Amino acid sequence: AQSVTQLGSHVSVSEGALVLLRCNYSSSVPPYLFWYVQYPNQGLQLLLKYTSAATLVKGINGFEAEFKKSETSFHLTKPSAHMSDAAEYFCAVSAAGTASKLTFGTGTRLQVTL
Amino acid sequence: NAGVMQNPRHLVRRRGQEARLRCSPMKGHSHVYWYRQLPEEGLKFMVYLQKENIIDESGMPKERFSAEFPKEGPSILRIQQVVRGDSAAYFCASSPDSVGFLLGSNQPQHFGDGTRLSIL
Repeated sequence: AQSVTQLGSHVSVSEGALVLLRCNYSSSVPPYLFWYVQYPNQGLQLLLKYTSAATLVKGINGFEAEFKKSETSFHLTKPSAHMSDAAEYFCAVSAAGTASKLTFGTGTRLQVTL
Repeated sequence: NAGVMQNPRHLVRRRGQEARLRCSPMKGHSHVYWYRQLPEEGLKFMVYLQKENIIDESGMPKERFSAEFPKEGPSILRIQQVVRGDSAAYFCASSPDSVGFLLGSNQPQHFGDGTRLSIL
């Protein structure tokens, strides 16, 4: 069984500030981990993925995440927030391998202020 | 290379009617997943299909919901006798086969833009 916990349903940062979105997972098998972004009335776009290679994963739009097995975490960061980063962010886990369903967290809505 | 296509984008039904949601996977993708997103919640897995086969339907409600992915044509999620609680956004995702993913396909699951189902 797998699950994802995203701490903080809403996060607000100033433009230019560090973005930190938290994700903790639980998995009985080696996990694959993902971060997706969702803009209003759109589908999900993959930001980055961890598939048991490097533990520090770089994604699109300047985002990165670090897999920490000891902490069962996969937090998403970006050094400097931009207004266009305002969206809903979802962390997801699947069983290592492929063609496996994704289990999503409840999401974190990121607000970026001037 | 067209992405995952879902139609309709918006669907309005009255209680008791049937809703049919369609999903055409990306070219070359043989795996289809359906997820449901209730307001202010994350996506919940419903069903995973390959051509002509249901692989995992552990997230499907036991009644009124069915899914298929025929040899030809799109995948269909069918909801019979809809109720107000079925109002949600329904997303389809597709992925390549196992070999394609292991070779480094950039996005293990590509998502469509969803169908927003509203029940009057």
